[in-house]
Order: sequence, then structure tokens, then C-alpha cells
Amino acid sequence: GIQVEQSPPDLILQEGANSTLRCNFSDSVNNLQWFHQNPWGQLINLFYIPSGTKQNGRLSATTVATERYSLLYISSSQTTDSGVYFCAVPQGGSEKLVFGKGTKLTVNP
Amino acid sequence: EPEVTQTPSHQVTQMGQEVILRCVPISNHLYFYWYRQILGQKVEFLVSFYNNEISEKSEIFDDQFSVERPDGSNFTLKIRSTKLEDSAMYFCASRATGVYEQYFGPGTRLTVT
Repeated sequence: GIQVEQSPPDLILQEGANSTLRCNFSDSVNNLQWFHQNPWGQLINLFYIPSGTKQNGRLSATTVATERYSLLYISSSQTTDSGVYFCAVPQGGSEKLVFGKGTKLTVNP
Repeated sequence: EPEVTQTPSHQVTQMGQEVILRCVPISNHLYFYWYRQILGQKVEFLVSFYNNEISEKSEIFDDQFSVERPDGSNFTLKIRSTKLEDSAMYFCASRATGVYEQYFGPGTRLTVT
């Protein structure tokens, strides 16, 4: 099945810093989603981005489908950005989303 | 903005008991999903559901699990006889026809003691 690799696994920042999270996937996809899991365990949809670039406030994401990777940018990070960031892509020929192991982000005040 | 809701947010049950986790998908969505996440692990697919039928299920989704759309708004996941290893966060998701994006609910944390 499709492989999803996220890096780095852990990231510690000071408030106000910028960061880039990466998601590599092993096969062509027609869907890619980024999620934020907050400290209470809730999954929050961030982006649906099968290709191109999108921005939402301090967050933006870029997917280069031909090279099989996506990047999530967080600018001017805040303590509330802490949590785990997951990317997910569909298994080939299926609707089920396959998740990466996530990047755990800690933003310190 | 419409959102997927799940109840309860946290359920504690004893081993061997039946539990029903409830989800209200976004109102015009017709495709429904359940995923689970054991503490500290990846989110894993359980089952997809469309037109009152299971369209796909994972190896995890054995005979102890069932799903149902009992009315026009709810989507449920039943675990008949819970085991300790069923302790996890369970997420419901839904999507609209012609759109691949899946919208996730906040999850139900199931603790089996």
C-alpha cells in the first residue's frame, strides 16, 4: 500500500518562530489532507490540497503532486499551535485515508 | 460552518460490554467513515459506508464491529463485546458527493477497563 512519511517527527520552537513540516508519499494521489491534533486529541481539518498552494491565516500548504510531497508552513507560531500535525492520502483505488505518523510540534512561550 | 459532531466525547466501559458511538455527519454528505487512533499511534481506517452499505472495511473491522445509519442524520459504530485493546480515540468523518475531502469529527475517547 501507499507509504506516508512525515518529517521531522518532533519539533520544538519558541513562540514567533516559523516552521516547515514535510509529508512524502510513495504513489500518485488525488487527495491530500493536513490535520492538527490538539492536546485534547481532537482532529482539526487544516487543508485539502491535492496540488498547488493554499493559505489560511498564518498557515499555508503546498503540494507538488508530481514529486510526491507536501509542505505545511507555520509562520509566527503561537503556543496554541502545539500538537501533532498529520498528513493523510488515500490508498490507491480506495477512499480510505492513510495517515503518516505525524510531526509533534511544541511551541514554548 | 457545518461540522461533524460526535457523542459522547468520552466513554468508559467495562470489558465485554457493548458500546455505541454516535456521529452526526454534515447534512448533505452521503459518504461516511470511521477511523480509530490507539494512544500514541497513527490514525487507522476502520470502515466506509455509502448508500446504506459498507463499501470498504479494514482487517480491524471484524465481527465485533458494526455500523448503521438508523435515521437521516445519525451514523453509529457499535462494538458488541469490548476488549481492552479497543481503547482508543474513534473518529467519524463524512464527505460530499464529487468531493474527496473528508471532514472529521472531534472524536470519542473510548476507555475499556
